[in-house]
Formats: sequence, C-alpha cells, structure tokens
Amino acid sequence: GENVEQHPSTLSVQEGDSAVIKCTYSDSASNYFPWYKQELGKGPQLIIDIRSNVGEKKDQRIAVTLNKTAKHFSLHITETQPEDSAVYFCAASTGGTSYGKLTFGQGTILTVHP
Amino acid sequence: DAGVIQSPRHEVTEMGQEVTLRCKPISGHNSLFWYRQTMMRGLELLIYFNNNVPIDDSGMPEDRFSAKMPNASFSTLKIQPSEPRDSAVYFCASSSPGLGVHEQFFGPGTRLTVL
Repeated sequence: GENVEQHPSTLSVQEGDSAVIKCTYSDSASNYFPWYKQELGKGPQLIIDIRSNVGEKKDQRIAVTLNKTAKHFSLHITETQPEDSAVYFCAASTGGTSYGKLTFGQGTILTVHP
Repeated sequence: DAGVIQSPRHEVTEMGQEVTLRCKPISGHNSLFWYRQTMMRGLELLIYFNNNVPIDDSGMPEDRFSAKMPNASFSTLKIQPSEPRDSAVYFCASSSPGLGVHEQFFGPGTRLTVL
C-alpha cells in the first residue's frame, strides 16, 4: 500500500519568513495530493490540493509543487503569519478509485513567532 | 450544511466500559472514514465505508473495535471493552469521490479518555 513520509516534524519560523514542508510517497499510481491544516482542538481542514497532471498550484500565500518522477511534493507558505501556526498534514491518494481513501503523512507542527 | 457532526465531543470512561462514538456525515457524501489521532501514532485510518458498506477495516486495532453504518446519514464506532491505551481523539470524515470530490471533510472529533 501507499506510504507517505513527511518532514520536518517541527518547524519554527519568524513572522514574514517562508516555510517549506516536504513529503514523499511510494505508490507511483497516486495522483491526488492534498494538504490539510489542523488547528488546536479542531479536525484537519483542506487548504490546497494538486493533481498529478499539474506541477505547481498556488493560492495566495500557499503553493504546492509536485515532482512525479521523484515522487515528492512540497507545501510552501510565504509571508508567514502567527495564525499559520498549526499542524500540517500531507496526503496521497489513487484518486482513480471510487472510495477516496487518503494516506496521511505524520504531520508537521509549524510555529510562527511574532 | 452543518458539516460532519460527531458526538460526544468528550468522553471519559473507566477501563472495561463500552464506548460508542457517533458520526453524521455531510448529506450526499457516500464515503465515510474513521480515524484515530494520538501523539505517538499520528493520524491513523481505522475503517472506511462506501455507500454504507465497509470497504477496508484493516486499520481496526483489535476485535474490541467495531464500526457500523446502518444508513447514509449515521455511523458508529464502538469499543468494548475499552482500555487506557484507547485514549485518543477519534475523527470521522466524509467525502464524495464518486462525484469527483476527493476532499475529506473532518468532524470536530471526540476526545476519549479511558481511566
């Protein structure tokens, strides 16, 4: 089955700096890669996703890049703000199935210092 | 839509007691997922249903865990008997992959403490 590795496990940055979180996956059939943000006391929430026919996607301060050959994808947050502090999860899925199962990485605790 | 609804939000019980967690998925979603989250093991997929049918329960840790989905709007996760190591936050999520919506919408979670 799919295995997703996520690094780093913790990341501390100053407000205004950029943050990068990286993930690798094992199943070359995976074609859907979402990123979730989990705030304290809440469930994970989708912030951005990318499909395998796209190399990069951007939404305001958040961008995701995908390298299918190397089987890795990354989340980039620019101009970080204290409210970006949360746990971030990457995930992978063989979106061609009808079930929508996701395999999650281990999570990255991001702390943005004012 | 109110989103995925889970109850109770918090549950404290004693070892050996039966625990039942409840989930109402988003209306129209036909896939439902139960996850367990702990500091040590992260976010673990326990079981998932599609069109009310269990598809993969390989993540269910032991026979003490069972899940049902009697209809499209309700699912339960039961632990009997509960043990202290079952203490965790349990999330329910739903999606509609058959309609091309692969995003999983998570509920607020149930924080379970087994004493």
